[in-house]
Amino acid sequence: KNEVEQSPQNLTAQEGEFITINCSYSVGISALHWLQQHPGGGIVSLFMLSSGKKKHGRLIATINIQEKHSSLHITASHPRDSAVYICAVHPLDSNYQLIWGAGTKLIIKP
Amino acid sequence: EAGVAQSPRYKIIEKRQSVAFWCNPISGHATLYWYQQILGQGPKLLIQFQNNGVVDDSQLPKDRFSAERLKGVDSTLKIQPAKLEDSAVYLCASSPIPGQEQFFGPGTRLTVL
Repeated sequence: KNEVEQSPQNLTAQEGEFITINCSYSVGISALHWLQQHPGGGIVSLFMLSSGKKKHGRLIATINIQEKHSSLHITASHPRDSAVYICAVHPLDSNYQLIWGAGTKLIIKP
Repeated sequence: EAGVAQSPRYKIIEKRQSVAFWCNPISGHATLYWYQQILGQGPKLLIQFQNNGVVDDSQLPKDRFSAERLKGVDSTLKIQPAKLEDSAVYLCASSPIPGQEQFFGPGTRLTVL
């Protein structure tokens, strides 16, 4: 079993829909990252959070440390949001390395 | 603020050939990471530098891969000789200190034929 699990693996939605991507992890963590990767492109860090909720534009990230769960929400989705969204965690026993999820491939259709 | 720079962006080589990738991190970032990302998978950490010292290279295939960061700034990753299974995107990232947000470069897409 992977230490970081994301769901769904693939998600296709219509423009304007509210999107939720989930991340569950099994280790104690000091922080969790949400990152975005466009096809053929590099990785962009969206959020780094250790508690509560963060918002940036149409993106919202929440984390529940007790339940070892985080969600990434996209409001009013747009085709340019199409990308792979990756969850990664800093485990408590190592502040250096990230444990990566497999990613969620999101396609937003116009 | 300039981001993490990588070159080349794309490289195609034949198996058993050698290849080198270059990374220039964000100015002032002490920590530098090299990742390998095989298509459809998440990134795998190959090596982590703190200034010019190696923090972790436990997943670096040392029989064929080498990396250096001699002056604690830019870094090179070399593969010699390359195998078919080395086809991947090689990502470089940097952070001010370990555990802080990592900033990624555009990656180098390597195809080994």
